[in-house]
Amino acid sequence: EAGVAQSPRYKIIEKRQSVAFWCNPISGHATLYWYQQILGQGPKLLIQFQNNGVVDDSQLPKDRFSAERLKGVDSTLKIQPAKLEDSAVYLCASSLEYENTGELFFGEGSRLTVL
Amino acid sequence: AQSVAQPEDQVNVAEGNPLTVKCTYSVSGNPYLFWYVQYPNRGLQFLLKYITGDNLVKGSYGFEAEFNKSQTSFHLKKPSALVSDSALYFCAVRDGTGNNRLAFGKGNQVVVIP
Repeated sequence: EAGVAQSPRYKIIEKRQSVAFWCNPISGHATLYWYQQILGQGPKLLIQFQNNGVVDDSQLPKDRFSAERLKGVDSTLKIQPAKLEDSAVYLCASSLEYENTGELFFGEGSRLTVL
Repeated sequence: AQSVAQPEDQVNVAEGNPLTVKCTYSVSGNPYLFWYVQYPNRGLQFLLKYITGDNLVKGSYGFEAEFNKSQTSFHLKKPSALVSDSALYFCAVRDGTGNNRLAFGKGNQVVVIP
């Protein structure tokens, strides 16, 4: 079974530039998550989709971050304009259903460095 | 809101010795508890979970964890550590009463010394 795919793996940009990350979840997984993992901290949920609808985006900095999952499959996370504090690993995860008891399956992450 | 505390930054253990990684949690309802492991430059991998039932749960790679409701803890254990267990370990919790957000602790670096 193919895992969660993310690209690019690494990205270096200057502050005020824009960047986009792509995620393809495991086939059949209805729920998709984007997490931000800053060095030395645990992952923090940015946004959660159920199919193509947003379930939770309360921790997404909406003035600069946006995400979409138009067809309920793959997803794109965009940052525009980037700030120095956005340097982090952006993790995409998926799960089979919108329920509390299942585990999440994570991709390898996209590491962003903002200079 | 749910939260997790992992009090130690790094856990050092000699190979063959027991390994314990500590986790305490806070939720408003019944907790759903998880442990994940992260190897360098890799995504998080699921180890085990507690939803209900027996307080001692067994997971991948010989790991187990004990749910203690009175102490609001969910410590991860392994009877005999391997060098290959060296990694970053994250405890996570969901509130079982409806908030589906999974909150992670800051993680513990485990170093198994040969």
